[in-house]
Amino acid sequence: DGGITQSPKYLFRKEGQNVTLSCEQNLNHDAMYWYRQDPGQGLRLIYYSQIVNDFQKGDIAEGYSVSREKKESFPLTVTSAQKNPTAFYLCASSLGQGSYQPQHFGDGTRLSIL
Amino acid sequence: DAKTTQPPSMDCAEGRAANLPCNHSTISGNEYVYWYRQIHSQGPQYIIHGLKNNETNEMASLIITEDRKSSTLILPHATLRDTAVYYCIVRYPNQGGKLIFGQGTELSVKP
Repeated sequence: DGGITQSPKYLFRKEGQNVTLSCEQNLNHDAMYWYRQDPGQGLRLIYYSQIVNDFQKGDIAEGYSVSREKKESFPLTVTSAQKNPTAFYLCASSLGQGSYQPQHFGDGTRLSIL
Repeated sequence: DAKTTQPPSMDCAEGRAANLPCNHSTISGNEYVYWYRQIHSQGPQYIIHGLKNNETNEMASLIITEDRKSSTLILPHATLRDTAVYYCIVRYPNQGGKLIFGQGTELSVKP
């Protein structure tokens, strides 16, 4: 089935450690997005990419990095510079800029600090 | 993006229709209305979207008023699995960035 796969479902990070969250889609979507959700809060955009080898910062990009080397993959690295990384991370994809088609989401990765 | 207003919570009896309202009085001509829902600890699930006309799919119906200042999402026969937070979002199709999720409506379907 077509969809968005995020892994792992749960992730624990030690202080000072970088961790990478995986996001893969087989929907042939051009655009991919990373959001962060804190308890009881809405989603906040971290990074997005409209096309391979290009990406833009969202509202809260500090302490995060991304790459888009393949159309189907958009990994997010949470660096040690992110001082409050505990959150629910959501990846989404869509047909891309200019399209009215909706964004579709994965099931998320829950990151906690040890 | 236009601001949306939704009631914080609603109850619905199982098997009955759930009608979830959304006010978007500042919507612009080319902004679409999207509905998503989020079940606890899962990613948001797309439900339906529309511009001017009423829309229906296998999950729900979307009724948009003629002046487009409000809309209603209808779940025709609510089940316990429809218990979730429902979000109404308006945005332009050529926006490359974020969806703005407000507080949404927490729908509780009761037996």
